[in-house]
Amino acid sequence: EAQVTQNPRYLITVTGKKLTVTCSQNMNHEYMSWYRQDPGLGLRQIYYSMNVEVTDKGDVPEGYKVSRKEKRNFPLILESPSPNQTSLYFCASTGTRDGELFFGEGSRLTVL
Amino acid sequence: QKEVEQDPGPLSVPEGAIVSLNCTYSNSAFQYFMWYRQYSRKGPELLMYTYSSGNKEDGRFTAQVDKSSKYISLFIRDSQPSDSATYLCAMRNTGRRALTFGSGTRLQVQP
Repeated sequence: EAQVTQNPRYLITVTGKKLTVTCSQNMNHEYMSWYRQDPGLGLRQIYYSMNVEVTDKGDVPEGYKVSRKEKRNFPLILESPSPNQTSLYFCASTGTRDGELFFGEGSRLTVL
Repeated sequence: QKEVEQDPGPLSVPEGAIVSLNCTYSNSAFQYFMWYRQYSRKGPELLMYTYSSGNKEDGRFTAQVDKSSKYISLFIRDSQPSDSATYLCAMRNTGRRALTFGSGTRLQVQP
């Protein structure tokens, strides 16, 4: 089954404790990205990757890092989480320039 | 002002009603227009995809784009309780893969 898998789905952490949200896709897609979803603001792009070892900032990259060492994986790293990073995070991927963006099921992060 | 405006709802309709969902936008460079459906505790899934202006129909769903007015719509005919979800409009311009999303409209179809 074609899918984008994120882990963990739910996480509560404290300010400053580094965490990583993993994302993996099994569709051999070149393009992957991370979005955060906040009430009233919709989905906003954090970072994206056009291919292995190629990453770039989206609209709200502050406080986040990413890496793309393998085609299927695109982890999101919060080096020192802060409460304003409490949000619902989605990983997404697509295989073609104008193609459908496939989303994972989301990771709800709470930073205390 | 946001680039894409969408009424958050909630919108509550009886089963069988025709539903109209709308977004306005300010960036005239947007060429690709999408509607995503998001069920509770799930990721968005693509419902309709339109390039430039015009209409597109898929079963009970019709997407309309009016670029002159910077206005897009999604119509749902014979709405069903299973259509209860949040509907997100999204758009992008040529050469940029990132989507700009509306904040979503929550729809509740009452049996």
